[in-house]
Amino acid sequence: LAKTTQPISMDSYEGQEVNITCSHNNIATNDYITWYQQFPSQGPRFIIQGYKTKVTNEVASLFIPADRKSSTLSLPRVSLSDTAVYYCLVAFKAGGFKTIFGAGTRLFVKA
Amino acid sequence: DTEVTQTPKHLVMGMTNKKSLKCEQHMGHRAMYWYKQKAKKPPELMFVYSYEKLSINESVPSRFSPECPNSSLLNLHLHALQPEDSALYLCASSQGLQGTRDQSYNEQFFGPGTRLTVL
Repeated sequence: LAKTTQPISMDSYEGQEVNITCSHNNIATNDYITWYQQFPSQGPRFIIQGYKTKVTNEVASLFIPADRKSSTLSLPRVSLSDTAVYYCLVAFKAGGFKTIFGAGTRLFVKA
Repeated sequence: DTEVTQTPKHLVMGMTNKKSLKCEQHMGHRAMYWYKQKAKKPPELMFVYSYEKLSINESVPSRFSPECPNSSLLNLHLHALQPEDSALYLCASSQGLQGTRDQSYNEQFFGPGTRLTVL
């Protein structure tokens, strides 16, 4: 079963743009790439989802190249409250749709 | 109501106990999920229910027994657990299963989890 790969951790400062990349070589043709945010002792929270090219919402942008083997979550102007773990999630068709979380990227935002 | 609720928040049980975790959503979602999350690890998928039928079982040991009594409720029955089963158990729901082209089907709403400790 294919793995998704993300950087283990990243540091940033308030007001900076943060880009987190996820590799997913064996993504299924019909699958969407989804990113979640998780704070300690809470369930993950949906951030953004896309299929290809670029998607933007009020909190983030998602860039997906044509081959869809990777995706990049972009957080504009981060604040201290964006300190969290960020997971990318894809589903692999294997007798159903298995949802596989990446290992997660721990983002630390400093003042 | 865009909330998934889970009870209890915390559970401590012995290896011979039988207990149940409960999950509820009233968003009309037809897919519900159980995940297990160990400290500093990503959530691991355990079970998926679609339209109240078990569609995915990720080779979970039989001491974990899921149940979906109706479209709003999901239970996880626990029996003869081991200390290594101690973890945060997360429930989630979505309109449908991932893999459809309709984006709204794919977003999973997670509950706050049940922190389980097995002594």
